[in-house]
Amino acid sequence: AQSVAQPEDQVNVAEGNPLTVKCTYSVSGNPYLFWYVQYPNRGLQFLLKYITGDNLVKGSYGFEAEFNKSQTSFHLKKPSALVSDSALYFCAVRVGSSNTGKLIFGQGTTLQVKP
Amino acid sequence: GAGVSQSPSNKVTEKGKDVELRCDPISGHTALYWYRQSLGQGLEFLIYFQGNSAPDKSGLPSDRFSAERTGGSVSTLTIQRTQQEDSAVYLCASREYVEAFFGQGTRLTVV
Repeated sequence: AQSVAQPEDQVNVAEGNPLTVKCTYSVSGNPYLFWYVQYPNRGLQFLLKYITGDNLVKGSYGFEAEFNKSQTSFHLKKPSALVSDSALYFCAVRVGSSNTGKLIFGQGTTLQVKP
Repeated sequence: GAGVSQSPSNKVTEKGKDVELRCDPISGHTALYWYRQSLGQGLEFLIYFQGNSAPDKSGLPSDRFSAERTGGSVSTLTIQRTQQEDSAVYLCASREYVEAFFGQGTRLTVV
């Protein structure tokens, strides 16, 4: 069965510092990997995705993520954090063809950026 | 419409009553998902519709929960005989190709 783990409930960083939010996955097959962000009392917003190709993918708001097949990880990164990045972040995985498959989420990581 | 629309945005119901939650996906999206999120926690998968295939119901927590998708478009999640533990935000998402897009959710409170 496919699963996603986000080992940190909360990540705290100072504004201007780099940030990393960790994600590991377990699937049988080639995964499609995603990051979503949720601001308070809002739905989830898509940030970025990995399908195939370059291991470093870039997304919205300056975020990027690095796919590591050997470590089955897909960590979210940003070179310089902003206070406005404070939110709940979810990693997700889907196995199937390009347009099929159940989408499974991790438990989420709260990112707190302090001024 | 521009995005996934869910209604109502908030629903308060008495324990034991039935409720229906509605999801209007983005036009043309063949996949539709329902999730439950409790108190800002993770997303619990409930059910997945893909085109005309039989839905994946593996996440439905009990037989009080059911969902249908009519005409490959609008979906309704029904919870019968609601319990207090059903209180949560119910999120719907639709997908055409790779990434899914979410609605704003329905906040269900069972009193």
